[in-house]
Parts: sequence; structure tokens; C-alpha cells
Amino acid sequence: QLQLQESGPGLVKPSETLSLTCIVSGGSISSSIYFWGWIRQPPGRGLEWIGSIDYPGRTYYNPSLNSRVTVSVDTSKNQLSLRLSSVTAADTAVYYCARSLLQYKYGMDVWGQGTTVTVSS
Amino acid sequence: EIVLTQSPGTLSLSPGERATLSCRASQSVSSSYLAWYQQKPGQAPRLLIYDASNRATGIPDRFSGSGSGTDFTLTISRLEPEDFAVYYCQQYGRSHIFTFGPGTRVDIK
Repeated sequence: QLQLQESGPGLVKPSETLSLTCIVSGGSISSSIYFWGWIRQPPGRGLEWIGSIDYPGRTYYNPSLNSRVTVSVDTSKNQLSLRLSSVTAADTAVYYCARSLLQYKYGMDVWGQGTTVTVSS
Repeated sequence: EIVLTQSPGTLSLSPGERATLSCRASQSVSSSYLAWYQQKPGQAPRLLIYDASNRATGIPDRFSGSGSGTDFTLTISRLEPEDFAVYYCQQYGRSHIFTFGPGTRVDIK
């Protein structure tokens, strides 16, 4: 059974770079039948898609975050990564990684439990 | 960029009642790429519906989706106690961009 587990520092200072990883277990990260992505949820608010990556390594980003976001995959470690630069308090959120499955027309069928990131000095 | 609007913001219903949730897009969406999710407090979202009307694996048949173009609907035929949650629509569109709606909260009346 595929499982995703996010990890990273819970606290990041303003202007610094947020770095998170998502370990994929129970399956391979390398397949053309799905994307991998990051989604976040600020406290008490809705879901915001951050970015996704497909098997050849093409990346797609939310236009509102494009200049600050990097999503990558390390196939040797079976893990997905997120880097978000120049963070502010507005980046405080629960961050999720998720799989978008081609069979489900890229619906996100497997999610990690989420990791909370607070941006504060 | 497509904007999704969901209504109502909050729906207060009793167990056993029917829930009808709306998702409207600012421009036409390929129905193949319209999905619905359920999220409970402290949990990750769960995929309910993909392709506008197909249930994901393990989703009870009291959940159904419909619609095309700019108007989509999620219907819960008879609310069970575990269905009280927040529901989000999401579309996957041009340039491989994903967009979520703001959500509809279904509360116990």
C-alpha cells in the first residue's frame, strides 16, 4: 500500500528557504502514470496547490508562487522535495504531498498526513 | 487562470438528509478533470469523485457527482454522521495547473 510521509523543520525564519521532503513507501516514485505534487493549507483556510512534477521531471507551478518554488524528485531515495524561498508569515501552513493518478484523471488519490510549517522569527 | 467558486459556504443539515453542493468555474472546464475531495478536521483530504462523476475506489455510492462546462454538483444522497466535513472541488487544466475551490462546510443542524 502506497504511503507518503512529509518531513522538515517546523519553524522557518522570514526571508529564509523552506525545505520539505516526502518519502514514498510501498511503491515506486518513477512512473509515467502519475504526477507528484505539493499542496498547502494555511490555518483555518482552504487548499492551495503549490506545484507538481511528472516522471520525466517536468515541473508545473502555481503562477502565484512560481518564482519561489522548486519541486524535485530523487528516484534513488524514492522521495519528493519542495523548496520555497523568501518565506513570509503568509507561508505558514500545513504542507501535504500527494500523488495525482492518470487513471483518476490526475485526481489526488494518495496523500501524506501533512507537516506543519510556521514562519516566524 | 480558472477560478472555482463553491456554494453554499456552509450547509447545515441533519443525518439522513440530502446534501447538494455546487462548484462553478470561471470558464469551461473539461469534465474529465474535475474532482471532489472530503476533508475532516486534522486529516488530509480524501478523493471522492474524479472525472466529474466517477467515484474513487472505496467511496460509498451515496456520493455522486454530475455536471459539465462551468457547473458541477456533488450530491450526498443520505448524510451519515461521518459525512459532516468540508468538501472541495478541484480542476486540472491547461498548462497542467491545478486549482481548488474554497470549500463547502457541511455541518450538523
